[in-house]
Amino acid sequence: DGGITQSPKYLFRKEGQNVTLSCEQNLNHDAMYWYRQDPGQGLRLIYYSQIVNDFQKGDIAEGYSVSREKKESFPLTVTSAQKNPTAFYLCASSNNLHTGELFFGEGSRLTVL
Amino acid sequence: QKEVEQDPGPLSVPEGAIVSLNCTYSNSAFQYFMWYRQYSRKGPELLMYTYSSGNKEDGRFTAQVDKSSKYISLFIRDSQPSDSATYLCAILNTNAGKSTFGDGTTLTVKP
Repeated sequence: DGGITQSPKYLFRKEGQNVTLSCEQNLNHDAMYWYRQDPGQGLRLIYYSQIVNDFQKGDIAEGYSVSREKKESFPLTVTSAQKNPTAFYLCASSNNLHTGELFFGEGSRLTVL
Repeated sequence: QKEVEQDPGPLSVPEGAIVSLNCTYSNSAFQYFMWYRQYSRKGPELLMYTYSSGNKEDGRFTAQVDKSSKYISLFIRDSQPSDSATYLCAILNTNAGKSTFGDGTTLTVKP
């Protein structure tokens, strides 16, 4: 089945540690996105990539980093510089930049202890 | 001021009620308008999208856009307990190549 796979589903980390969230898609979509969701705040864009080897900062990129070495993969690293990393992280992809229709993964819930 | 403002809710209605979910936006460059449904602890899924002013129907769901007022709505007829979820409006700025989301409205439909 085609879709987006995020892992891990739940992740705990200690303060000061970097952590990488995986996002893989087999939909052959060019564009991929990372969003952060906090209670009552909707989705906020962290980074996005419209093509391999290229990506742009979203609205809240500070403390995060990404890479796009393959079309299928768009991992997100939450660094120790991110002051409030506990959140629900959603990866999405799109094959239509004109309509913006997004296909989402199931999300990764990160908790900093 | 946020670019997309969504009526916060939460909303609780009896089964069979008509539900109205609303968003306003400020950027005239926004061109495509979408509604996503998100069940608890899941990723959002696209419910409907439209790009022109007017109404678009899909079964029990109707998306309405008024570009002159910068106002979008989603109506749910004959609401069911399975409609209980958070509904997110999202608007695409084609110039920027990215969508901006509202904060979501959590709907509970009681049997």
